[in-house]
Amino acid sequence: GQQVMQIPQYQHVQEGEDFTTYCNSSTTLSNIQWYKQRPGGHPVFLIQLVKSGEVKKQKRLTFQFGEAKKNSSLHITATQTTDVGTYFCAGVFGNEKLTFGTGTRLTIIP
Amino acid sequence: NAGVTQTPKFQVLKTGQSMTLQCAQDMNHEYMSWYRQDPGMGLRLIHYSVGAGITDQGEVPNGYNVSRSTTEDFPLRLLSAAPSQTSVYFCASRTGQSYGYTFGSGTRLTVV
Repeated sequence: GQQVMQIPQYQHVQEGEDFTTYCNSSTTLSNIQWYKQRPGGHPVFLIQLVKSGEVKKQKRLTFQFGEAKKNSSLHITATQTTDVGTYFCAGVFGNEKLTFGTGTRLTIIP
Repeated sequence: NAGVTQTPKFQVLKTGQSMTLQCAQDMNHEYMSWYRQDPGMGLRLIHYSVGAGITDQGEVPNGYNVSRSTTEDFPLRLLSAAPSQTSVYFCASRTGQSYGYTFGSGTRLTVV
């Protein structure tokens, strides 16, 4: 079936360090979305990437979509305690079905 | 705007019981989906709908039924609850393919 693999599963960083999570698909994606889920909360939509090689920035967050539209990454510069949570990518393979990765749980060491 | 409203927030069922998880959105969104979230497994799609009267199966549809008689409501029915259905259930909606999903706050279901 269509799967989206996400690594790492966990990431512990010192406050101020950078953080990156990666998503990979074995088949071409129509587009990819990123969500953040705070502990005990629900997923919140961050961004959608559609074009091959697309790069988008939201303050300290940088999102990239690979040239082949099979991989994506989220990079956070200079993490803050407010960045704590689980980050999910979610791929669309050409229909309405949104397939989520397993997520990367980010914890910040003050 | 209330967004996506899910009820109940918590539920304990006995094996074999049936129940309906309610989901309503007041944003006139076309697309609605149900996901379950289990530790270490991300969110898995149960059923989805692209408009009133249209539903389709997701990745893990067995044991669940849905219907979409109105744009606003998308209830999820558990036919005969099993312990394997213990999970957190999220309903989500979006207005079109250029937008992300808005999630409800979830229903935590325990089947004993």
